[in-house]
Amino acid sequence: NAGVTQTPKFHILKIGQSMTLQCTQDMNHNYMYWYRQDPGMGLKLIYYSVGAGITDKGEVPNGYNVSRSTTEDFPLRLELAAPSQTSVYFCASASSGGKRGEQFFGPGTRLTVL
Amino acid sequence: AQTVTQSQPEMSVQEAETVTLSCTYDTSESDYYLFWYKQPPSRQMILVIRQEAYKQQNATENRFSVNFQKAAKSFSLKISDSQLGDAAMYFCAYRWETSGSRLTFGEGTQLTVNP
Repeated sequence: NAGVTQTPKFHILKIGQSMTLQCTQDMNHNYMYWYRQDPGMGLKLIYYSVGAGITDKGEVPNGYNVSRSTTEDFPLRLELAAPSQTSVYFCASASSGGKRGEQFFGPGTRLTVL
Repeated sequence: AQTVTQSQPEMSVQEAETVTLSCTYDTSESDYYLFWYKQPPSRQMILVIRQEAYKQQNATENRFSVNFQKAAKSFSLKISDSQLGDAAMYFCAYRWETSGSRLTFGEGTQLTVNP
């Protein structure tokens, strides 16, 4: 049981390039999330999904896109990368709300846009 | 909108002493969950403790306990018998019970433990 896995761990992207951050969970969780964490700051929600085929915007969605075609995978797409997207990106998953709704976090992807 | 505020960017404590980290939040909801997460230098997010808003009893997990004041919208974390391994960034978080149970985080408190 690997939990939440993210790839890559680190990446340097040039301004204007695009890339996809991968996230997979093996806990059969319905809910999945993408957060970004800027240096010295708290996490901010980019997008979330409550099930396959359903996604919604969080606090900071501009410049990103997501899709959820399976329960296990929730990739985050960066289009036309900008220096402001330099951050650490965390994927998380949860079974549902209530007491069992604890979010489990992946190890993060450190992305630098130059 | 729900907001979470941590007014102490940095705190320090001597090993074996007790320290309290502050958190306030704003919400119009009556039913919600609050969490404290620990983030060591490895960046891994580790759940420390959770509090259900409808429970008056303060949550406790070993050396970690909370002081939950619902009317004041305050949720502080007390760490007793501090250990060197407690040094980390600590985040307070509010969980929406609608909107996919997403979390809103505070800005964090960097805790240093001095030997």
